[in-house]
Amino acid sequence: SYVLTQPPSVSVAPGQTARITCESDNIGRKSVHWYQQRPGLAPVVVVYDDSDRPSGIPERFSGSHSGNTATLTISRVEAGDEADYYCQVWDARSDQVIFGGGTKVTVL
Amino acid sequence: QLQLQESGSGLVKPSQTLSLTCAVSGYSISSGGYSWSWIRQPLGKGLEWIGYIYQSGNTHYNPSLKSRVTISVDKSKNEFSLNLTSVTAADAAVYYCGRVGTYVDSWGQGTLVTVSS
Repeated sequence: SYVLTQPPSVSVAPGQTARITCESDNIGRKSVHWYQQRPGLAPVVVVYDDSDRPSGIPERFSGSHSGNTATLTISRVEAGDEADYYCQVWDARSDQVIFGGGTKVTVL
Repeated sequence: QLQLQESGSGLVKPSQTLSLTCAVSGYSISSGGYSWSWIRQPLGKGLEWIGYIYQSGNTHYNPSLKSRVTISVDKSKNEFSLNLTSVTAADAAVYYCGRVGTYVDSWGQGTLVTVSS
């Protein structure tokens, strides 16, 4: 089955840039989506289709991917960005939704 | 505005069946164009996709759960449901319903299911 690998945690100082990776074979050929989940709440998509942002999501959130790695970049990190982040793809071969294991972003 | 709301049994005994319903408002399931999904999250752990259903009734399930899962849709009530049989402690989680294009663009608030005798 298709597996998405994320680092368990990323720490970043306020005002700096956080980069969260999502690795899998040929992920560059798939559309990658990213969710933010704050404690006790449902996830919210922050980037979809690799690099698009829903309305209301700050421009500080951006996505990219190439080869075997997709990256969510959070620029000018704020305390409110502290949350768990999940990548997700749709695997056409198996017709399944696949989530990465999640990355906890800690703002120092 | 699209809203999804889970309801159902919050406490299930081991070996019994977990049953949840997701009521959809603000969008008609019959309109098509999306699938309707169940996703779960054990406390303190990551997200696990359970399966989804189209308005046609076609379903797709996570292979790891396929033998125990049934998702159904009631278009007259604009809701869809999850049945998970033979539950164990490993099935304890927050269960979310969601609308899926290629990503989950709308989520329910989630409902906690505990498995205990």
